[in-house]
Amino acid sequence: DAEITQSPRHKITETGRQVTLACHQTWNHNNMFWYRQDLGHGLRLIHYSYGVQDTNKGEVSDGYSVSRSNTEDLPLTLESAASSQTSVYFCASSVSRNTEAFFGQGTRLTVV
Amino acid sequence: QQPVQSPQAVILREGEDAVINCSSSKALYSVHWYRQKHGEAPVFLMILLKGGEQKGHDKISASFNEKKQQSSLYLTASQLSYSGTYFCGTEEFISNQFYFGTGTSLTVIP
Repeated sequence: DAEITQSPRHKITETGRQVTLACHQTWNHNNMFWYRQDLGHGLRLIHYSYGVQDTNKGEVSDGYSVSRSNTEDLPLTLESAASSQTSVYFCASSVSRNTEAFFGQGTRLTVV
Repeated sequence: QQPVQSPQAVILREGEDAVINCSSSKALYSVHWYRQKHGEAPVFLMILLKGGEQKGHDKISASFNEKKQQSSLYLTASQLSYSGTYFCGTEEFISNQFYFGTGTSLTVIP
């Protein structure tokens, strides 16, 4: 079955370290998204991509970067982890605009 | 701009009805609804694209008002399985920016 997977599911890292969260989908979806979820803020968009080599900033992109070298993967990199980036991160994908988005199971990141 | 959801939280007894509202200050192209259970990923419920549109399956339905700035989610005869946090997501008509609301926590008790 096609799916979307995130790894790792849990990670603890130190302030200042570079961290990369992986997202892999097997649906061949063009659109991929990264969100962070924090209490009181809901889901906030970090970065998104509408296809290979395409990346765009979302509303909370500072301190994060993404690259899209193939259809299946959109890794999220925290350049220098900060405590404010402690959060649950969700990756999602969709066929196109205004279609159902499928979410991965999330990565709980703790920056100490 | 992040849409506003109301109420923030609601507790229902099984069989009762609930309405969750999602409101934007901008004209909207579409409204999406998702439900998230504790510790799980959000799951898609439905998308509304046209002003005046209503959709539904089982006992969950939604409407998108004519002015395309507000949507409501209707849960009828609630079941224990309806418990979770409901999020609306809105795409703004002019900017094409997509935002999720802060969520509505819904708890159904026996």
